[in-house]
Amino acid sequence: GAVVSQHPSWVICKSGTSVKIECRSLDFQATTMFWYRQFPKQSLMLMATSNEGSKATYEQGVEKDKFLINHASLTLSTLTVTSAHPEDSSFYICSARGQGYSGANVLTFGAGSRLTVL
Amino acid sequence: GQQVMQIPQYQHVQEGEDFTTYCNSSTTLSNIQWYKQRPGGHPVFLIQLVKSGEVKKQKRLTFQFGEAKKNSSLHITATQTTDVGTYFCAGFTGNQFYFGTGTSLTVIP
Repeated sequence: GAVVSQHPSWVICKSGTSVKIECRSLDFQATTMFWYRQFPKQSLMLMATSNEGSKATYEQGVEKDKFLINHASLTLSTLTVTSAHPEDSSFYICSARGQGYSGANVLTFGAGSRLTVL
Repeated sequence: GQQVMQIPQYQHVQEGEDFTTYCNSSTTLSNIQWYKQRPGGHPVFLIQLVKSGEVKKQKRLTFQFGEAKKNSSLHITATQTTDVGTYFCAGFTGNQFYFGTGTSLTVIP
């Protein structure tokens, strides 16, 4: 079945540093990838939609200069949290939309990346 | 704008009891999907409903899509401790996925 690999699973960094999170579709081409942020016991908050070869579309209230998204190929999208601060600590999850095993327009999620900024 | 509401937000049930979560969209959906997220895990796709009035079953889980394609429900019969987690609906329309707020299910042994 469709698999999305997200790396790293856990990351701890100092305030002011940048962190890159990778999201790869392993056995299918993902024309669109989505990046979500999830706070404890809350729903998924869509941050941005990443389309291969074009600029990401950010949701209202999400700083594009803070959360840099690059979708350089049909199998890889990256999210870079620049100049991270403690309030950026969260669970970040990517998902890919493609020809998954369950059919079109189904989301396959990565395992998520838990970011802690000290 | 597009909204997908889900109720209840939390549900505690005794093992063996039934459980239902409801999802309502402010607009008509192309399809609706259900995902389950175990504690500490990531959402995993359960099922997709496309047709108006569609009903699908997966063992003890029954999924329904409303006639107007604006609401959906997930019913679990005779819950087990393995059913613990948060259940999200996701409405797909206009090339976008809109996630519900989720229902967190706790099953008491």
